[in-house]
Amino acid sequence: AQSVTQLGSHVSVSEGALVLLRCNYSSSVPPYLFWYVQYPNQGLQLLLKYTTGATLVKGINGFEAEFKKSETSFHLTKPSAHMSDAAEYFCAVSERKTSYDKVIFGPGTSLSVIP
Amino acid sequence: GAVVSQHPSRVICKSGTSVKIECRSLDFQATTMFWYRQFPKQSLMLMATSNEGSKATYEQGVEKDKFLINHASLTLSTLTVTSAHPEDSSFYICSATGQGILRPRSTDTQYFGPGTRLTVL
Repeated sequence: AQSVTQLGSHVSVSEGALVLLRCNYSSSVPPYLFWYVQYPNQGLQLLLKYTTGATLVKGINGFEAEFKKSETSFHLTKPSAHMSDAAEYFCAVSERKTSYDKVIFGPGTSLSVIP
Repeated sequence: GAVVSQHPSRVICKSGTSVKIECRSLDFQATTMFWYRQFPKQSLMLMATSNEGSKATYEQGVEKDKFLINHASLTLSTLTVTSAHPEDSSFYICSATGQGILRPRSTDTQYFGPGTRLTVL
């Protein structure tokens, strides 16, 4: 069975500082990996995804993530935090067992940005 | 990006009543739709997966008779919470994946609706 862990349920950074949100996964098959962002009382918005190919993936809003198979990690980074980045972030892995992709979500990390 | 809508965005009902939530894909054919439940400060819990024209597949522990899912067309899925009780109060989110008519979509990405806040008194 696949699973996702996110180290740190809450992360605080200063505005302009590096953002690093950690994600580790377990999967018996090559995974598809995702990062989603959720603002209060809203649905999820896809930040970026890794399927195949280049292991460094660039997403929206200046975020990027690197797939490291040897470390089973897919950490999310952004060089300079902005106040608008404050939100809940979910890492997810896809099972890819059927024609559709059942997605397993991590517990989430709440990001706070301090002025 | 692909647009998925949900209606209503917020609903308050009395205990014992049934509530229907709609999920629509606005610019692509949603061959598969997913229904999630999210409690405050928690992650999303998959409730069921539905493919157009077939019965939904429910996750373990989710009551089929309690949460009725219908995926009658390629653009609409509905979740009906039957005989709702206060413990059913939650944030319900749908997502969809599939192919677009005008703008092809990859099937490896789920597009999420904005969610429905259900409060049962």
